[in-house]
Amino acid sequence: DAGVIQSPRHEVTEMGQEVTLRCKPISGHDYLFWYRQTMMRGLELLIYFNNNVPIDDSGMPEDRFSAKMPNASFSTLKIQPSEPRDSAVYFCASSPRLSGNTIYFGEGSWLTVV
Amino acid sequence: QKEVEQDPGPLSVPEGAIVSLNCTYSNSAFQYFMWYRQYSRKGPELLMYTYSSGNKEDGRFTAQVDKSSKYISLFIRDSQPSDSATYLCAMSAEVLTGGGNKLTFGTGTQLKVEL
Repeated sequence: DAGVIQSPRHEVTEMGQEVTLRCKPISGHDYLFWYRQTMMRGLELLIYFNNNVPIDDSGMPEDRFSAKMPNASFSTLKIQPSEPRDSAVYFCASSPRLSGNTIYFGEGSWLTVV
Repeated sequence: QKEVEQDPGPLSVPEGAIVSLNCTYSNSAFQYFMWYRQYSRKGPELLMYTYSSGNKEDGRFTAQVDKSSKYISLFIRDSQPSDSATYLCAMSAEVLTGGGNKLTFGTGTQLKVEL
């Protein structure tokens, strides 16, 4: 299996621009998670989906962030408009069940907003 | 105060040393305890998983959970340069409590094992 695939791996954008991060979970996994990692706050859960339905988006920082999962093999995280404080590594992860010991992370999307 | 506290390091040890990594937490509902290893510019990967209190051993790695003290540890014996990475503790509550199984991570401890 190819694992969780994220794109782009690196993104540099100007403040105010829209950013779209993409994720392909592991086939057969029912759960998909979006995390954000910064030096100050560590890894934070933004949102997670079960069978393509958003279950908990309480970690989404504000209305500028939105996430969708149109089908079982694809999810997007959008930031519009982007701000410098959004600079972070964004990880997508998937799991075959809601159990912490089976979450598999992608390699991350490194976002820099200037 | 954060729910999970972890010393960020960096921690530098000579090859062959025993390494002790620790986390403390405040949420009594946490039942599942994990350690993830994250190499530079990579995603975290699960290293150890423990349910409730007790010890678990896997090769050179031992995970300990003391729920009464809200304290977890990861020990690495005979440390190798390839163990150099950031180690993240993570925790989650029982699904039945209604809290789901969202992982709460520590900020990670950076470990360097030197030749």
